[in-house]
Amino acid sequence: AQSVTQPDIHITVSEGASLELRCNYSYGATPYLFWYVQSPGQGLQLLLKYFSGDTLVQGIKGFEAEFKRSQSSFNLRKPSVHWSDAAEYFCAVGAKGNEKLTFGTGTRLTIIP
Amino acid sequence: DTGVSQDPRHKITKRGQNVTFRCDPISEHNRLYWYRQTLGQGPEFLTYFQNEAQLEKSRLLSDRFSAERPKGSFSTLEIQRTEQGDSAMYLCASSLQGTYGYTFGSGTRLTVV
Repeated sequence: AQSVTQPDIHITVSEGASLELRCNYSYGATPYLFWYVQSPGQGLQLLLKYFSGDTLVQGIKGFEAEFKRSQSSFNLRKPSVHWSDAAEYFCAVGAKGNEKLTFGTGTRLTIIP
Repeated sequence: DTGVSQDPRHKITKRGQNVTFRCDPISEHNRLYWYRQTLGQGPEFLTYFQNEAQLEKSRLLSDRFSAERPKGSFSTLEIQRTEQGDSAMYLCASSLQGTYGYTFGSGTRLTVV
C-alpha cells in the first residue's frame, strides 16, 4: 500500500524567506507524486506533479519540488515566500494506471511579516 | 469552464437523518472522485467513477454511503442514517483519464449534531 508522510504539521516563515516543505512517500514501484495547496474553506489546487524524467519539477506560483528516489522524498521549495502563500500544503502519491491518490496529513504554512 | 461545483457548501443535519450532496464536474472530464477530509487530516479516497461506472470504492465507504453518476455527468453522494463520525468535508474532483490532473471543488462541509 502506498503512504505519504509530511513530518511538519506547522511551519512559520518570514515573508521573503525561503521555504522547504518535506514529504516522504512509501510505494513499491515508481510513484507519481503531487503537491496541492488548500486555502481556508477552499478545495485543493494542484501546484506541481512528477511522473518521470527530470527530478526537479517546476510548478505554479514559483514553487518547485525535487524527487529523490534514494531518500523516498519529494520536498517542495520556494526561494522567497509571499504572504499569500499562507495555506495548507498536501503531498500526495499515486501510481501509473491508478489515479486514486493517497494524501499526507498536510503542513500548515504561516507567513509572518 | 466553471470548474467543479459542489452543492451545498455547508450542511448541518441531525444524527440519523439522510443527506445528499451533489457534484458537477468539468464537462469534458470523464473521471469523478469523492474524497473525505476531516480536521487536521489530508483527503481520504472514497470512490471514483469513469463516466457512469463506479470503478472503485474504499472500505471507508460503509453500507450507509452510496454514490451515483447517472449519464456520466453530475454525481451524488448520499449518506443514510448519519452519525457524528460522518462530520467532515466531502470533496469532489474530476479529471480526464490519464492526465492525473485533478480539479477539486470547494467541498461540502457536513456537520452532524
